[in-house]
Amino acid sequence: EPEVTQTPSHQVTQMGQEVILRCVPISNHLYFYWYRQILGQKVEFLVSFYNNEISEKSEIFDDQFSVERPDGSNFTLKIRSTKLEDSAMYFCASSRWDLNTEAFFGQGTRLTVV
Amino acid sequence: GDSVTQMEGPVTLSEEAFLTINCTYTATGYPSLFWYVQYPGEGLQLLLKATKADDKGSNKGFEATYRKETTSFHLEKGSVQVSDSAVYFCALSSNQAGTALIFGKGTTLSVSS
Repeated sequence: EPEVTQTPSHQVTQMGQEVILRCVPISNHLYFYWYRQILGQKVEFLVSFYNNEISEKSEIFDDQFSVERPDGSNFTLKIRSTKLEDSAMYFCASSRWDLNTEAFFGQGTRLTVV
Repeated sequence: GDSVTQMEGPVTLSEEAFLTINCTYTATGYPSLFWYVQYPGEGLQLLLKATKADDKGSNKGFEATYRKETTSFHLEKGSVQVSDSAVYFCALSSNQAGTALIFGKGTTLSVSS
């Protein structure tokens, strides 16, 4: 069964460092998403991506964040200069054409900023 | 803005007990409603969904009915199993392509034998 894969499963980084979280969406999907979940809090939407551009983003997704689909299979989330409060579980998701066809989520990357 | 409120957990039940996890929402328009489940060490999986009022979503013995009059989408199961132990998330989205899911905080269910 096709699945969304995320790497790494856990990343520890020092405050101020850049991190790149990687995702391989399901191959025939057109919409891609990043969400995050700070420990004990809600799963929060960060950004959606369609046709090689951002289609929607939340106010969390500020200039420190960027997304890219560099090679037609990977979908990355970059955090330019990490802060302690960026520590969270980051989930990638993809869907075929709209959310109502079901968004498939990866297992998540746990980012710990120290 | 749109929001989802779930009952606080954890919910602890014995096997074969009846489960209800409450979910209410606030939204403009007519959203679609979802329940996602996260088993230990895994990602979020869609459990069931409903796209319009009075629709009932069902899967793996779980059910939820989209109640517009009470803005609710409560999750129920008649007889839980140990394997149902997981975190359950209620979520909504507008009916536009590519729009975000808005999640509740999640409810942890623990079922003992």
